[in-house]
Amino acid sequence: DVKVTQSSRYLVKRTGEKVFLECVQDMDHENMFWYRQDPGLGLRLIYFSYDVKMKEKGDIPEGYSVSREKKERFSLILESASTNQTSMYLCASSLGQKQFFGPGTRLTVL
Amino acid sequence: SQQGEEDPQALSIQEGENATMNCSYKTSINNLQWYRQNSGRGLVHLILIRSNEREKHSGRLRVTLDTSKKSSSLLITASRAADTASYFCATDDSNYQLIWGAGTKLIIKP
Repeated sequence: DVKVTQSSRYLVKRTGEKVFLECVQDMDHENMFWYRQDPGLGLRLIYFSYDVKMKEKGDIPEGYSVSREKKERFSLILESASTNQTSMYLCASSLGQKQFFGPGTRLTVL
Repeated sequence: SQQGEEDPQALSIQEGENATMNCSYKTSINNLQWYRQNSGRGLVHLILIRSNEREKHSGRLRVTLDTSKKSSSLLITASRAADTASYFCATDDSNYQLIWGAGTKLIIKP
């Protein structure tokens, strides 16, 4: 089975801090994604990557950056965390159209 | 961007009954997928139906697709307590991205 792991299940940070969320997949998938999920809004795509060192902006990239130095690892960076970035963050990798998700990181920014 | 729209937003039924959720979308698609999310967890892929298919089954799940109405339905037969979750439809946008609905929250009462 494909396994996608995320570095933390719960995270609490202060406004202005730099935050790193890491995601690792073990199935050699080329495509990886970062979403945020907020009540009533479904999943919104922040960034995705279709190859090492390649990245594309999703629908809501502002305030975020990403890094994909190795195929299995896709990191989401909040350069200066703000309270409106309090959310559930979901990482996924894909083979074709089918996406495999990690368990999510619930981030609270105080 | 949000294309899929699930209906109803929430559904509560007795264990053993059938549950039907609907998804509408706006643009033409190559395929449509359904995912399940247990509370506070990542999403799990349930089923994918291609645009040239009208119906697909997987265990107690039945998915239909009507491309003329741009809609899909997910039927869960003989519901169980473990089916309590949120259900999302997702349509393909381009090569890698999916567009997600806001989800239907299903509660199965014992």
